[in-house]
Amino acid sequence: NAGVTQTPKFQVLKTGQSMTLQCAQDMNHEYMSWYRQDPGMGLRLIHYSVGAGITDQGEVPNGYNVSRSTTEDFPLRLLSAAPSQTSVYFCASRAGTGYTDTQYFGPGTRLTVL
Amino acid sequence: AQSVTQLGSHVSVSEGALVLLRCNYSSSVPPYLFWYVQYPNQGLQLLLKYTSAATLVKGINGFEAEFKKSETSFHLTKPSAHMSDAAEYFCAVSMNYGGSQGNLIFGKGTKLSVKP
Repeated sequence: NAGVTQTPKFQVLKTGQSMTLQCAQDMNHEYMSWYRQDPGMGLRLIHYSVGAGITDQGEVPNGYNVSRSTTEDFPLRLLSAAPSQTSVYFCASRAGTGYTDTQYFGPGTRLTVL
Repeated sequence: AQSVTQLGSHVSVSEGALVLLRCNYSSSVPPYLFWYVQYPNQGLQLLLKYTSAATLVKGINGFEAEFKKSETSFHLTKPSAHMSDAAEYFCAVSMNYGGSQGNLIFGKGTKLSVKP
């Protein structure tokens, strides 16, 4: 099993550009989520999905879109990048919505917006 | 509302010394708590989790944590630090009420340095 994979590892964008961060998992997990990590802020939840076709907003959803057409993939779209979106982005998955389910993280995408 | 607070953004210990990383939680319902570790330039990895089965939880790499309801704490300890323990550690609580989907709320993290 590859677990949770993310591409690209690094990306530099100019303000106003759009891009999609890719996330895939091969564990047949129903739940997937996106976090951003900023220095001194911990991880903050952007969007999550409890299954194909079902998504919802987390703590910091503004400026990001998601969709979930398959169980395996959960891309994160930045429609018009802003410098405030410079961050490290982590995708995560877990088997279900059980309160004690272990969450597995991808290696992250480091995004810089100039 | 649920939250976790990690005391100390940086902790430095000598190799072989006790590691103590502090986490306090706030929750109106019995919480489920997690400790994750992040090595440099990597994703997060589960160290251990409290699921109410036992108050003393043992995890990987010799770490353990004790749930203390009276102190609303879930501190992480390791008797003897190793150089390879240098990393950032995150405490998290699972949102465990109807409709929350078990989303995790993370603390701000504690960076552990280990001196030779």
